Amino acid sequence: EPEVTQTPSHQVTQMGQEVILRCVPISNHLYFYWYRQILGQKVEFLVSFYNNEISEKSEIFDDQFSVERPDGSNFTLKIRSTKLEDSAMYFCASSEQGASGELFFGEGSRLTVL
Amino acid sequence: KQEVTQIPAALSVPEGENLVLNCSFTDSAIYNLQWFRQDPGKGLTSLLLIQSSQREQTSGRLNASLDKSSGRSTLYIAASQPGDSATYLCAVRSSSGSARQLTFGSGTQLTVLP
Repeated sequence: EPEVTQTPSHQVTQMGQEVILRCVPISNHLYFYWYRQILGQKVEFLVSFYNNEISEKSEIFDDQFSVERPDGSNFTLKIRSTKLEDSAMYFCASSEQGASGELFFGEGSRLTVL
Repeated sequence: KQEVTQIPAALSVPEGENLVLNCSFTDSAIYNLQWFRQDPGKGLTSLLLIQSSQREQTSGRLNASLDKSSGRSTLYIAASQPGDSATYLCAVRSSSGSARQLTFGSGTQLTVLP
């Protein structure tokens, strides 16, 4: 069964360092998303991406964050200068359709900022 | 702003029992509602997607209902098994304001005792 894959599964970094989280969405999906879950808190929306551009972003997704689809298969989330409060599980998701589509999530990348 | 609430926060039942998990949302202007399962430290597994025009969806032992006008959904699990132990998350996709994001509840942590 097709699935969303994410790498790395866990990354530890020092505050102020740049981090890139990678995702391979399901191959025929056109809509891509990043969500995050801080330990013990709700899953929160970060950004959605369609047709090679950001279609929507939340207040969390400030100038320190960026997304890119560098090739036909990968979708990346970059955090330029990590902060302690960026420590969270980051989930990538994809869907075949837009607003009515079912989202499929990856296993997540756990980011720990020291 | 959409708010999603799940009750109860935790539930423990003996194996074989039928159970109901509840989800409520404040804004009835939605495209759809999606139920997920999350195992500890893992990703989100999609269980059921209900479009706003639908009243219920079934998959195996799972049945989800949607009453959009009252802002409620229930997930019914029949003949529970220890393998059903997980956190169950409800998420709605609003059709007003930010149209493409999912808003998640805090989840119900289910324990099925053998």
